[in-house]
Amino acid sequence: AQSVTQLGSHVSVSEGALVLLRCNYSSSVPPYLFWYVQYPNQGLQLLLKYTSAATLVKGINGFEAEFKKSETSFHLPKPSAHMSDAAEYFCAVSEETSYDKVIFGPGTSLSVIP
Amino acid sequence: EADIYQTPRYLVIGTGKKITLECSQTMGHDKMYWYQQDPGMELHLIHYSYGVNSTEKGDLSSESTVSRIRTEHFPLTLESARPSHTSQYLCASRSLNGGPGGNEQFFGPGTRLTVL
Repeated sequence: AQSVTQLGSHVSVSEGALVLLRCNYSSSVPPYLFWYVQYPNQGLQLLLKYTSAATLVKGINGFEAEFKKSETSFHLPKPSAHMSDAAEYFCAVSEETSYDKVIFGPGTSLSVIP
Repeated sequence: EADIYQTPRYLVIGTGKKITLECSQTMGHDKMYWYQQDPGMELHLIHYSYGVNSTEKGDLSSESTVSRIRTEHFPLTLESARPSHTSQYLCASRSLNGGPGGNEQFFGPGTRLTVL
């Protein structure tokens, strides 16, 4: 069965500092992996996705993520946080064999301190 | 740019009222979903549909019902609203086509429901 864990329900960083949002997944078959961002009072917006092509995936807003099969991870680092990055971030997984079902992680709330 | 709409954006209503949350998408997607999300919490799938006349219950039990009479429209109905239904409801759609470009979900802006 698929599952997603996100270490740290709240992350707080200073503006300009490195941000690392963590995501680990479990899947018995090759997965599709996603990061979504949710700003206050809005729906989710796709940040980036991994679909078995390149393991380093670039997304919007300067984010990129690296798929590491050996670690079953899909962490989301960003070298320099901006105030506009403050939001809720969700990692999600779906399986190639049943990609119609997407499992979301519990989310990580990112705060950026000026 | 995703074209998926939800109305109303905010709704405050009394206990016992019947409500329908609207969701429409103009992308021609076959699959549509309803998620329930409490503030700062994860998303829980409550309903989904593979296409017209197809509806399935999700992982989280819900007293709501859905219908799919047209591809673009996937309304959610609560026959008798209760305070425990207070939450945010997110609608999403997805292409049926597989492959790298066809697996992401597009989300609407959500409906924040408060039942007094």
